[in-house]
Amino acid sequence: QKEVEQNSGPLSVPEGAIASLNCTYSDRVSQSFFWYRQYSGKSPELIMSIYSNGDKEDGRFTAQLNKASQYVSLLIRDSQPSDSATYLCAVMNTGFQKLVFGTGTRLLVSP
Amino acid sequence: GAGVSQTPSNKVTEKGKYVELRCDPISGHTALYWYRQSLGQGPEFLIYFQGTGAADDSGLPNDRFFAVRPEGSVSTLKIQRTERGDSAVYLCASGLGANVLTFGAGSRLTVL
Repeated sequence: QKEVEQNSGPLSVPEGAIASLNCTYSDRVSQSFFWYRQYSGKSPELIMSIYSNGDKEDGRFTAQLNKASQYVSLLIRDSQPSDSATYLCAVMNTGFQKLVFGTGTRLLVSP
Repeated sequence: GAGVSQTPSNKVTEKGKYVELRCDPISGHTALYWYRQSLGQGPEFLIYFQGTGAADDSGLPNDRFFAVRPEGSVSTLKIQRTERGDSAVYLCASGLGANVLTFGAGSRLTVL
């Protein structure tokens, strides 16, 4: 079992819709969770972090964490074509400071 | 500098050769990470430095890979006897901790 699992996609949504990206992780002691966005040919950039169960909102982005289910998600409201990218879920056990990435989900937002 | 700088941006080498990849982190960032990313995959952890010491090198695939950070700033990833399977983009990231990492543009390594 991979440490961090994501559906590779592509996930296709029309402009203005809500995009929902999901991630599961295997290590129950994971404490910190991150979403990175990676445009084609570019390096990853951090867009959200979440540490506690529940929702965390930042602009059009909402991260959701459920530690009991070992599940973290990212919602993108009012999706724009410029949101088209690969979204990487990353998980860390704070004690080890080792950030482990999933394979990423490719999002395509059509005009 | 303003960001994480990686050199070279592109490196083509022949199988069996030795390669060095350099990372210049953001000034003041004590944590430095090396990752490797193959096409269609997420970044794969290689090694993490806190200051000058390698805090976790569990991701280095074998003893052909080695990394140093002698003065707690610039880091060099060294690959001996390169193999075609080493071809990938090597990413460096720095931060005050792992919670907010800034990635460099990467070094694309192609082993012929």
